[in-house]
Amino acid sequence: AQTVTQSQPEMSVQEAETVTLSCTYDTSESDYYLFWYKQPPSRQMILVIRQEAYKQQNATENRFSVNFQKAAKSFSLKISDSQLGDAAMYFCAYRSRNSGAGSYQLTFGKGTKLSVIP
Amino acid sequence: DTGVSQDPRHKITKRGQNVTFRCDPISEHNRLYWYRQTLGQGPEFLTYFQNEAQLEKSRLLSDRFSAERPKGSFSTLEIQRTEQGDSAMYLCASSSLTGILYGYTFGSGTRLTVV
Repeated sequence: AQTVTQSQPEMSVQEAETVTLSCTYDTSESDYYLFWYKQPPSRQMILVIRQEAYKQQNATENRFSVNFQKAAKSFSLKISDSQLGDAAMYFCAYRSRNSGAGSYQLTFGKGTKLSVIP
Repeated sequence: DTGVSQDPRHKITKRGQNVTFRCDPISEHNRLYWYRQTLGQGPEFLTYFQNEAQLEKSRLLSDRFSAERPKGSFSTLEIQRTEQGDSAMYLCASSSLTGILYGYTFGSGTRLTVV
């Protein structure tokens, strides 16, 4: 079974600065997807960025980028020019790309609570 | 397209009572998922539907839990004889057949408190 580990329960960043959230995962599969989701307080979870494991290029979405290290099974999220609206819980998630049982499940880490200091 | 809707947003119930939650997915999404999120944890998979067929169930889904998706549209999740350990946020998500590449669209969840 796949596992996702987020080792930082809480992080803080000064507004306009850069912060990196860590995520490691364990899998025996070679083809999969990785995601970062943001969950603001009392609001729905939204997709921030995704990475396909067969792509070597790191994904980027505006101020959000990832550092995907497949061999190390590491998938960190970098938030540049942090804004007050970035304050939220951030979850790293894994999904298998293979068809079959369990392939449609997202496996989440425990999350990192990000605070943005004005 | 108003996103994934869940009802109610909050539910307080006494131990032993039955509760039912509803999820309305994005209309063109044929896949629907239920997750449970307890305090300090990430969401955990409960079950998955493709159209009206329930294709996967987690071992977390005990006999007291039942989910349905009649006609492949909205879905309901029922918990019978609720226990305090059922207190959690219940999240619904949906995706299209091809849109899975882009992750799922989540609803705002139903927060259940069992007293």
